Amino acid sequence: KNQVEQSPQSLIILEGKNCTLQCNYTVSPFSNLRWYKQDTGRGPVSLTIMTFSENTKSNGRYTATLDADTKQSSLHITASQLSDSASYICVVSRPPGGSYIPTFGRGTSLIVHP
Amino acid sequence: NAGVTQTPKFRVLKTGQSMTLLCAQDMNHEYMYWYRQDPGMGLRLIHYSVGEGTTAKGEVPDGYNVSRLKKQNFLLGLESAAPSQTSVYFCASSSGRASTGELFFGEGSRLTVL
Repeated sequence: KNQVEQSPQSLIILEGKNCTLQCNYTVSPFSNLRWYKQDTGRGPVSLTIMTFSENTKSNGRYTATLDADTKQSSLHITASQLSDSASYICVVSRPPGGSYIPTFGRGTSLIVHP
Repeated sequence: NAGVTQTPKFRVLKTGQSMTLLCAQDMNHEYMYWYRQDPGMGLRLIHYSVGEGTTAKGEVPDGYNVSRLKKQNFLLGLESAAPSQTSVYFCASSSGRASTGELFFGEGSRLTVL
């Protein structure tokens, strides 16, 4: 069964600290993996996309990594800010021609305290 | 540029009542999706559409119907609302390369069934 598992389920850190969120998947065949950020009361917004050939990609203070061999991805947040408090969702897609349905993880809820 | 717009944003229903949620996108996207989001469950796919005039069932379709009469609109209907349908509903759309494309979400519609 195609699944996406995220850990931890929730995380509390102090402002200025770094943190790493994990995503493991069994989706096959693999096309890409996206990390979405969902602020409270809002819809998710894409942060990064990782394809099979990419190992790491940065978007400001967010750095995503991908190990396609072990089917693992991580999202590292550097020097956290209060505005980073949100749910982070890992989404894995298959290549075109297959299922049109991306597979979602349940998300990691991050709270950044001042 | 409005992106994906959902109406209404809030609604309270009594058990057995019916209602329709409207999703409109102005990005000329082929693919549209309806999700529900419940605490601890993440986003679960209700129905989706790969083009005008087409619909398909997702993970949790029971109790819901959909229609895609126009490319820009995707309607989600509840014929006889039940308390178990209390949730936040999100509509999303993506471009022609559906399984690799970024999902653009609306702001959500919060439904309470008493």
